[in-house]
Amino acid sequence: TQLLEQSPQFLSIQEGENLTVYCNSSSVFSSLQWYRQEPGEGPVLLVTVVTGGEVKKLKRLTFQFGDARKDSSLHITAAQPGDTGLYLCAGARSNYQLIWGAGTKLIIKP
Amino acid sequence: EPEVTQTPSHQVTQMGQEVILRCVPISNHLYFYWYRQILGQKVEFLVSFYNNEISEKSEIFDDQFSVERPDGSNFTLKIRSTKLEDSAMYFCASGVVPAGELFFGEGSRLTVL
Repeated sequence: TQLLEQSPQFLSIQEGENLTVYCNSSSVFSSLQWYRQEPGEGPVLLVTVVTGGEVKKLKRLTFQFGDARKDSSLHITAAQPGDTGLYLCAGARSNYQLIWGAGTKLIIKP
Repeated sequence: EPEVTQTPSHQVTQMGQEVILRCVPISNHLYFYWYRQILGQKVEFLVSFYNNEISEKSEIFDDQFSVERPDGSNFTLKIRSTKLEDSAMYFCASGVVPAGELFFGEGSRLTVL
């Protein structure tokens, strides 16, 4: 069974702090997606990373795909209460199956 | 902006009853999915559907579950005889390419009593 492990599972920090969440696997993915889910809503795609070593920035969010395409990280600078939510990563296998992580629940306290 | 729509938003049913959850995927999308999320837990894949047939299903998607695309726009999930443990939020998603960006609906909350 292929696993995509996210860490930490839960993170609660003060507004203005920086944070990094991780998505790790022992297997290679052709691409990796990050989603954010707010309570009572469906996940919404933030970014897709495809190339090993790729870094993508979305305002205060920086996404990195590992060189070996087995892991990824999401770094948030100067977190704001609006960043609160469940962050999910999903890796695409070569057979087009998406493998989902369990998510990191992020709470940003004002 | 096109979106995936799901109905009902919330359904309460008695154990053993049949439930049909409906989804209207984005019109030019070809790949359709159902996911389940038990309160406070991870998003779990149920089934993917392409070209009018199931392309993949998980262990959760047993004989009690079925999917259908009856009319070219709706995509339904049927649970034949609901169990207490079927209580969850059910999300429909659609995409243009396999394992590409998924667009999720807002979910249907199913409560089995």
